[in-house]
Amino acid sequence: EPEVTQTPSHQVTQMGQEVILRCVPISNHLYFYWYRQILGQKVEFLVSFYNNEISEKSEIFDDQFSVERPDGSNFTLKIRSTKLEDSAMYFCASSAWETQYFGPGTRLLVL
Amino acid sequence: RKEVEQDPGPFNVPEGATVAFNCTYSNSASQSFFWYRQDCRKEPKLLMSVYSSGNEDGRFTAQLNRASQYISLLIRDSKLSDSATYLCVVNQDNAGNMLTFGGGTRLMVKP
Repeated sequence: EPEVTQTPSHQVTQMGQEVILRCVPISNHLYFYWYRQILGQKVEFLVSFYNNEISEKSEIFDDQFSVERPDGSNFTLKIRSTKLEDSAMYFCASSAWETQYFGPGTRLLVL
Repeated sequence: RKEVEQDPGPFNVPEGATVAFNCTYSNSASQSFFWYRQDCRKEPKLLMSVYSSGNEDGRFTAQLNRASQYISLLIRDSKLSDSATYLCVVNQDNAGNMLTFGGGTRLMVKP
């Protein structure tokens, strides 16, 4: 069964550093998403991406965040200057239309 | 603010029990509805979509009441492996396919 994959599984970084989280969506899907989940809290939407542009973004997705589809398979989330409060699990998801399938997540810890 | 609310539980039930979870959503324009399951420190996994007519998948039955903005999930004949957090998830609109998650209801099935 096809699945969404994410790398790395864990990332530790210093405050102020840039991080890039990588995702390989399911191959025939056209819609891509990033969500985050702070420990003990709800899963929160960050951004959706379709046809090489952002479709929708939440208020969390400020100028420090960007997304890119650099080639035909990868979908990346960049955080330019990490803050302590960026520590969370980041989930990538993809969909053919409505039903979204989630990757295993990258656990980001900002020190 | 567009919210999805769930009783956090935990629901502690014996194997074989029937258990029901409820969820309410605030945005009457919501388009589609899902139950996801999340194991500890793992990604949300789709359990089932929820349709207005109600739908069943094996031991799981989901119901949607649009007038009351209420969604339910019924699990019959609970198994130990059903122990997880059940997430009520709503697609608020179709523009960016943004999913809004409830905080989850924790289920613990005991032998």
